[in-house]
Amino acid sequence: DAGVTQSPTHLIKTRGQQVTLRCSPISGHKSVSWYQQVLGQGPQFIFQYYEKEERGRGNFPDRFSARQFPNYSSELNVNALLLGDSALYLCASTLPGNNQPQHFGDGTRLSIL
Amino acid sequence: GESVGLHLPTLSVQEGDNSIINCAYSNSASDYFIWYKQESGKGPQFIIDIRSNMDKRQGQRVTVLLNKTVKHLSLQIAATQPGDSAVYFCAEKAGGGNKLTFGTGTQLKVEL
Repeated sequence: DAGVTQSPTHLIKTRGQQVTLRCSPISGHKSVSWYQQVLGQGPQFIFQYYEKEERGRGNFPDRFSARQFPNYSSELNVNALLLGDSALYLCASTLPGNNQPQHFGDGTRLSIL
Repeated sequence: GESVGLHLPTLSVQEGDNSIINCAYSNSASDYFIWYKQESGKGPQFIIDIRSNMDKRQGQRVTVLLNKTVKHLSLQIAATQPGDSAVYFCAEKAGGGNKLTFGTGTQLKVEL
């Protein structure tokens, strides 16, 4: 079975631009979460979506937004990109229910010039 | 690919030895804990999880121990292999929702 898939794998943008990252969860997983991982650190939680609704949000500015589609795939949008947004953006999916393990994709490496 | 382990604590072990990776967590309300393995250029890979009503859980070659009194978590890897070389993260979760809080990570290096 396919794992979590993310696209694109790499992306280069300039300051002030906007970016959209995409995620397809594991089949049967209805919850998707987004994380930002800066080099040398652990992932930081950005959003959780379940049944197309936002269920949790981390400490990120309003430039970050996301949505989930009826097929449970998700997009993360970042506006007005800053140099500090350069990071690996990870998507994780889980089965319904509390305390289910999150399974991660290999991420999108975003570089801001 | 890029290393995820820059400036992280490093544990070096000989192939075949047992490895113990430790993690201190901060939130006494955390009730779910996970260990992940992250290889260079890849996303975190689920290893094993444990709920707060347990103090030990075993998987294939791995054991997780949870000490809630001192808020400490450890991952034991038996008969460490070169393929175990990676950065290992512990993560905690409190209550409902999916927000995981990750630790700083430990770079495991397996020497032949």
